[in-house]
Amino acid sequence: DTGVSQDPRHKITKRGQNVTFRCDPISEHNRLYWYRQTLGQGPEFLTYFQNEAQLEKSRLLSDRFSAERPKGSFSTLEIQRTEQGDSAMYLCASIPVGDTEAFFGQGTRLTVV
Amino acid sequence: EDQVTQSPEALRLQEGESSSLNCSYTVSGLRGLFWYRQDPGKGPEFLFTLYSAGEEKEKERLKATLTKKESFLHITAPKPEDSATYLCAVNDYKLSFGAGTTVTVRA
Repeated sequence: DTGVSQDPRHKITKRGQNVTFRCDPISEHNRLYWYRQTLGQGPEFLTYFQNEAQLEKSRLLSDRFSAERPKGSFSTLEIQRTEQGDSAMYLCASIPVGDTEAFFGQGTRLTVV
Repeated sequence: EDQVTQSPEALRLQEGESSSLNCSYTVSGLRGLFWYRQDPGKGPEFLFTLYSAGEEKEKERLKATLTKKESFLHITAPKPEDSATYLCAVNDYKLSFGAGTTVTVRA
């Protein structure tokens, strides 16, 4: 296992289109997180899962955003009707039981044109 | 609501010039404090986890310490390859990040 994997690494889409990102966490890590990061800012929390249950969702997350983690394995983040303000790096992280560390993937860079 | 504040925002150092970065936090139930290094265009790279006041962790030229209200990342005799943005995050199930400190080390 080489770590947290995210796909795609880059996505360019036209405004109004839907996009979906995938995250494969480290095996047996029970918690999975999604973040958004813009230039010069720290990662901003979007949502997190413990196994397959979505336990918290940011108040800043509009209803155009939805995330799933079927069977507690990989996760997907979908953005519907994309807007230019959605352009950012989307990061995924996973944490094992015991919270000993939290590892991030390399992110998906979204550009909405 | 949890708050994490990092200072300074930017730090320019000469190679070999040691310095410290600060991460102050308010959180209701701390389950750990994480430090990360982030290079441009990449995901954060995990460095340390600290759990309780008085704890220290070291890795090469980096040393992290924790008190009840803040954490410090000490960079000893930095090299140009230590140039990066350093992020801290508090873990209360939801990881809350500071805005980071961008460190530039000149040769």
